[in-house]
Amino acid sequence: SQQGEEDPQALSIQEGENATMNCSYKTSINNLQWYRQNSGRGLVHLILIRSNEREKHSGRLRVTLDTSKKSSSLLITASRAADTASYFCATDARDYKLSFGAGTTVTVRA
Amino acid sequence: NAGVTQTPKFQVLKTGQSMTLQCAQDMNHNSMYWYRQDPGMGLRLIYYSASEGTTDKGEVPNGYNVSRLNKREFSLRLESAAPSQTSVYFCASSEWKGNQPQHFGDGTRLSIL
Repeated sequence: SQQGEEDPQALSIQEGENATMNCSYKTSINNLQWYRQNSGRGLVHLILIRSNEREKHSGRLRVTLDTSKKSSSLLITASRAADTASYFCATDARDYKLSFGAGTTVTVRA
Repeated sequence: NAGVTQTPKFQVLKTGQSMTLQCAQDMNHNSMYWYRQDPGMGLRLIYYSASEGTTDKGEVPNGYNVSRLNKREFSLRLESAAPSQTSVYFCASSEWKGNQPQHFGDGTRLSIL
């Protein structure tokens, strides 16, 4: 069963705008990870945030984690066409097995 | 540096045929995983191998078997393919299980008629 649920399912933005997507989960976690998947390719790891961390940055990416609300958000700033992809959150809960959500599909329009 | 390599990239099978999907990683990782991805459902874990010599069931193991051939290679076998196993299969590896990023191959697209 999916532990993480992303919202929205799809997002369309103009190049240069920011994109925000959210992930909610059900049970306590050890860490939460975000991945990107370009069409026809495998997943690429973006950021791992541990349960005792609240915010993490990597380049134009900002991830927040609120364990009291069991939710996380991924912000992509100043989006580019190359950011067009599906984004997945994955939670690491029991026995260190990752559980993936269904993803948010982001389209960046030129 | 190839990372995680999966073969084949595409395959069409008839119901009842058998097939082995191959996966190899060159990052000296201890843990390896097999997932399937179906439309609108995210990835689901089929089997994983926490370290060489061990394998464990994931969320959807029925109809599959795995072999951790050595530290580099982890294969997935469909003994008698069924249409419900039509999916995209991804192999991944990580340094250890837990609290680690996973590195994915580009997938095997499998259709069962």
